[in-house]
Amino acid sequence: ETGVTQTPRHLVMGMTNKKSLKCEQHLGHNAMYWYKQSAKKPLELMFVYSLEERVENNSVPSRFSPECPNSSHLFLHLHTLQPEDSALYLCASSQGGGLTEAFFGQGTRLTVV
Amino acid sequence: SQQGEEDPQALSIQEGENATMNCSYKTSINNLQWYRQNSGRGLVHLILIRSNEREKHSGRLRVTLDTSKKSSSLLITASRAADTASYFCATSGTSYGKLTFGQGTILTVHP
Repeated sequence: ETGVTQTPRHLVMGMTNKKSLKCEQHLGHNAMYWYKQSAKKPLELMFVYSLEERVENNSVPSRFSPECPNSSHLFLHLHTLQPEDSALYLCASSQGGGLTEAFFGQGTRLTVV
Repeated sequence: SQQGEEDPQALSIQEGENATMNCSYKTSINNLQWYRQNSGRGLVHLILIRSNEREKHSGRLRVTLDTSKKSSSLLITASRAADTASYFCATSGTSYGKLTFGQGTILTVHP
């Protein structure tokens, strides 16, 4: 256990569905992140939140919508996804941005059918 | 882009041997980090080396950093079958919280 918990672990959704991924950190960190990991590609940073404020949006399509209601919780709302969005979605947290190590959750394996 | 690029892409060794993985990047960094990932799971932080450091040790891990060549290496000594995983380097620069990962090296250690 890294102190970062993601739910659900697996998700299968149709292209017209709306679903949300949840991430919770129990480490008292002030920054949280969403990463996407696709086969044969490097991890792609999607969003960065610092003190509940989004500080980075890495040109992610609007069908992905993040929400950070407080410093311990991070959501990724999904709607009208495409099959190419199937991937492992990883949440991470850290203290002080990239100056210290990041702690990752176990990920949500998303399949869009 | 300051994306890290690992070399080799895959490495297969016998238990007890040493494993060396290399990482190159393109722009100035604040620090460089190495992570490990078991199949389909989250990443686990292994070691962080700051731009003003040249070498760092942690147990069986040894990391070097050469900022003039923009490269780093991770050495795992006396490897074990349990070390089988993917290993990633990640660079941290000036953009807040932006860790940029390489493609990773898949390490297989045969018992």
